[in-house]
Amino acid sequence: QQPVQSPQAVILREGEDAVINCSSSKALYSVHWYRQKHGEAPVFLMILLKGGEQKGHEKISASFNEKKQQSSLYLTASQLSYSGTYFCGTDIQGAQKLVFGQGTRLTINP
Amino acid sequence: KAGVTQTPRYLIKTRGQQVTLSCSPISGHRSVSWYQQTPGQGLQFLFEYFSETQRNKGNFPGRFSGRQFSNSRSEMNVSTLELGDSALYLCASSLAAGSGGPQFFGPGTRLTVL
Repeated sequence: QQPVQSPQAVILREGEDAVINCSSSKALYSVHWYRQKHGEAPVFLMILLKGGEQKGHEKISASFNEKKQQSSLYLTASQLSYSGTYFCGTDIQGAQKLVFGQGTRLTINP
Repeated sequence: KAGVTQTPRYLIKTRGQQVTLSCSPISGHRSVSWYQQTPGQGLQFLFEYFSETQRNKGNFPGRFSGRQFSNSRSEMNVSTLELGDSALYLCASSLAAGSGGPQFFGPGTRLTVL
């Protein structure tokens, strides 16, 4: 039931782009994205709701394919501050609670 | 606005003891969710409280319980601690109940069970 994130880890140079995917075997009602830096709390990035509504930060973009039960987070022109572990949290079948993926560790090098 | 606060930040207990963790949500937020984070299992949902009522519960044994007060502050209690309960416990507050809105996490309480 836990969503699967891919890749598990990625290393980029500053300025490069990254895509992080989150997929589920069951219908998704919403997908949340969070970033957690080492020793810190997860920070909200984006929420995508069934029906197409999105709420999030201006510099973050994401997609939600309800039919494929997938979401992708797009990080463009990455900065050093983007480093951290990215988690997707999914509301599966309207259970109104979040089930998180195992995370994608993103490292940005200068 | 002040963020979500959790106390204490660190706790060391021994097996069999019980522990109470506290969470103060962002002012105006009525929903508080609790999560357990471990390297092996990741972020796992424990329960959610909204307006002093438990709205949802994860797959944890009954040793894990919680409550919410009229000022939206929440506490979680773990009784008869086991070694496997060692984890970072995070609470998150939200304006609305459920998963329709962003959740704002506190810094967590790091619990070590010896």
